[in-house]
Amino acid sequence: EAQVTQNPRYLITVTGKKLTVTCSQNMNHEYMSWYRQDPGLGLRQIYYSMNVEVTDKGDVPEGYKVSRKEKRNFPLILESPSPNQTSLYFCASSYGGGRYNEQFFGPGTRLTVL
Amino acid sequence: DAKTTQPNSMESNEEEPVHLPCNHSTISGTDYIHWYRQLPSQGPEYVIHGLTSNVNNRMASLAIAEDRKSSTLILHRATLRDAAVYYCILRVINNNDMRFGAGTRLTVKP
Repeated sequence: EAQVTQNPRYLITVTGKKLTVTCSQNMNHEYMSWYRQDPGLGLRQIYYSMNVEVTDKGDVPEGYKVSRKEKRNFPLILESPSPNQTSLYFCASSYGGGRYNEQFFGPGTRLTVL
Repeated sequence: DAKTTQPNSMESNEEEPVHLPCNHSTISGTDYIHWYRQLPSQGPEYVIHGLTSNVNNRMASLAIAEDRKSSTLILHRATLRDAAVYYCILRVINNNDMRFGAGTRLTVKP
């Protein structure tokens, strides 16, 4: 089944403790991205990647890192999480970044930083 | 950046058609119009997209105004499962971002 998977689905952590949220897709998509969703602010893009070893900042990249060493994986790294990073995170992928491509979203990761 | 405007909420009765409007008066000639929806506790899900002509797929129809300044997503027979937030998004040339607005929260009444 074609899908985007994220792990963990739920995470409660404390300020400053490094964490990684994994994202994997099995559709051989070149393009992958991360979003965060907050009440009243909607979905905002954090980072995106056009292909392996190619990443770029989205609207809200501060406090996050990403890497794209393999085509199927696009982990989101929070080196020193803070409470303002408490949010619902979604990973997405598509065949290309072009404006006619459908994006497939993962189920989401709910992160709480205490 | 081209912007979209949607009503905050709409209601529909089950098994009736639903027309969800979107205004995008600053759209440029190369911008694609996409619709996604987000069911409760799930990630966004692609619905349909188009450029100039009306489009149909198994989920919905997309009617695009002749001047492209507005579009309408049509659900032909709403079901309870269609209750979701519907997002109208413009995808612009040379920009890999996909900007979600607040969307329209659709409530379907039995």
